[in-house]
Amino acid sequence: DAGVIQSPRHEVTEMGQEVTLRCKPISGHDYLFWYRQTMMRGLELLIYFNNNVPIDDSGMPEDRFSAKMPNASFSTLKIQPSEPRDSAVYFCASSSDSPYGYTFGSGTRLTVV
Amino acid sequence: AQSVTQPDIHITVSEGASLELRCNYSYGATPYLFWYVQSPGQGLQLLLKYFSGDTLVQGIKGFEAEFKRSQSSFNLRKPSVHWSDAAEYFCAVGPRAAGNKLTFGGGTRVLVKP
Repeated sequence: DAGVIQSPRHEVTEMGQEVTLRCKPISGHDYLFWYRQTMMRGLELLIYFNNNVPIDDSGMPEDRFSAKMPNASFSTLKIQPSEPRDSAVYFCASSSDSPYGYTFGSGTRLTVV
Repeated sequence: AQSVTQPDIHITVSEGASLELRCNYSYGATPYLFWYVQSPGQGLQLLLKYFSGDTLVQGIKGFEAEFKRSQSSFNLRKPSVHWSDAAEYFCAVGPRAAGNKLTFGGGTRVLVKP
């Protein structure tokens, strides 16, 4: 298995632009998580899905953030409009319905200028 | 609410020396416990996990961790550190139920001196 695949690895965008981050979970994993990592706040859970359904989005910072999972093999995290304070590394992780822990993707480093 | 505390933000250790990283948690019941490692520019990799049974668990890369219920701790150890162990280490806890929604500590950055 190729693991959790995130794209792009790096994204630089101007303030006000729309940004879309993508994630392909491990096949057979029915949980998908989006995390944001910053120096100031560490790892923050933004939202997670079970069987493509959003279960908990309480970590989504603002309405500018939205996430979708149209099928079991794909999820997106969208920021519209983006702001400089959104600059961070965004991780996607997936897991199966058993306590084996997450498998993380390599992350997307977002810089909003 | 659950929380995870890693008291040491940075630790510097000499190559070949032993390493211990502290983790304390606050949780309603005994959770599942995990340690992850993050190398620069990489995602988090699972080092080891504790579910039940023997309170000393072995992981990859020569790491081990000991669960102490009375102290609500899950400290990570390695007897002899290699330069490649320089990374950031995260402790995490999760519920004993489906969902695996993990709460992470703030991380400990380990620097290895030659």
